[in-house]
Amino acid sequence: RKEVEQDPGPFNVPEGATVAFNCTYSNSASQSFFWYRQDCRKEPKLLMSVYSSGNEDGRFTAQLNRASQYISLLIRDSKLSDSATYLCVVNMDNQGGKLIFGQGTELSVKP
Amino acid sequence: DTGVSQNPRHKITKRGQNVTFRCDPISEHNRLYWYRQTLGQGPEFLTYFQNEAQLEKSRLLSDRFSAERPKGSFSTLEIQRTEQGDSAMYLCASSPTGFEAFFGQGTRLTVV
Repeated sequence: RKEVEQDPGPFNVPEGATVAFNCTYSNSASQSFFWYRQDCRKEPKLLMSVYSSGNEDGRFTAQLNRASQYISLLIRDSKLSDSATYLCVVNMDNQGGKLIFGQGTELSVKP
Repeated sequence: DTGVSQNPRHKITKRGQNVTFRCDPISEHNRLYWYRQTLGQGPEFLTYFQNEAQLEKSRLLSDRFSAERPKGSFSTLEIQRTEQGDSAMYLCASSPTGFEAFFGQGTRLTVV
């Protein structure tokens, strides 16, 4: 089993749609979780941190379910500019250790 | 520019040659990470440092790969006897806390 697994993509949605991405992780001791965004041929950039029961930033909401070892990212009112690959990232211990990335989920928002 | 800096941005090398990449982290970030990314995949962990100490190296990494961070500032990643399978984007990231990490633009390696 992979340490971090994400929904396979691509997701093709119309502008204004709501889309959700899921991610599961294998290490129950993991303490911190992130969503990164990566545009084509660019470096990953931090989108949101998810530290406790989840958090919201504008149109973006991240949720954490420790019991199920599952995190999600919800994007409301999708914009064309949201088209990118979304990477789920897990910190594998509680001492600020290595960050493990999922394979990414590609999102394409169409007019 | 105070972000993570990687050099060179692109490298084309012949199979069997050695290559070295450099990463300059954000000032005072004590964590530094190296990742490798191929098309359609997420970044794959290679190794990371806390200051000058290398804390972990991926089991997937062969002995041809070595990384250093001699003074706890910049880091180098060397690949010896390159193979075509080493062609990838090599990403460096730094972090002040060991949690959120900030990436450089990467070095794209092509082995011909």
